[in-house]
Amino acid sequence: GENVEQHPSTLSVQEGDSAVIKCTYSDSASNYFPWYKQELGKGPQLIIDIRSNVGEKKDQRIAVTLNKTAKHFSLHITETQPEDSAVYFCAASRGFKTIFGAGTRLFVKA
Amino acid sequence: EPEVTQTPSHQVTQMGQEVILRCVPISNHLYFYWYRQILGQKVEFLVSFYNNEISEKSEIFDDQFSVERPDGSNFTLKIRSTKLEDSAMYFCASSENQNRGYTFGSGTRLTVV
Repeated sequence: GENVEQHPSTLSVQEGDSAVIKCTYSDSASNYFPWYKQELGKGPQLIIDIRSNVGEKKDQRIAVTLNKTAKHFSLHITETQPEDSAVYFCAASRGFKTIFGAGTRLFVKA
Repeated sequence: EPEVTQTPSHQVTQMGQEVILRCVPISNHLYFYWYRQILGQKVEFLVSFYNNEISEKSEIFDDQFSVERPDGSNFTLKIRSTKLEDSAMYFCASSENQNRGYTFGSGTRLTVV
């Protein structure tokens, strides 16, 4: 079945450093790749997304890259701040179904 | 900003009992979803719903589960006979169309005892 692998499961960085989270997906029909941030006690919140016809997208300190051939996509957060600390989920979507990765717990140390 | 509203925030139920989890999606959204998250684990797809019918469902969504949109605003998930392993956080989400980001509710924590 469809699967999304996400690494690392935990990431600790110093404030101001960059953080990178990597995902791979198995379903070659996936054509939309959202990223969600989940804070304690809340539902996941969409932070950025990328479609299969685009290789890279940036929004302020956040960027995503997609390599469709390799079925890899990544989230890059630059100049991390303590408020970036949360669990981040990648996801791969086709049609009516979105499959989530297992999540990365990001700690940003002040 | 429009929100997806879920009630109750926490439900405790006896094993074997029926539960109904309620959601009010964003009003102009046409696609509705239920996901669950067992504590500390991944967000798992249960079901998607469009045009008053199930569009897709996962292996988790067996005969014990059902969804309904009883009126123009509510979207419910029913678990007919709860098991201990149904204990999880259940998230409702909605989206304007396919291949758009979802707006999630804050979840209902279901505890089966």
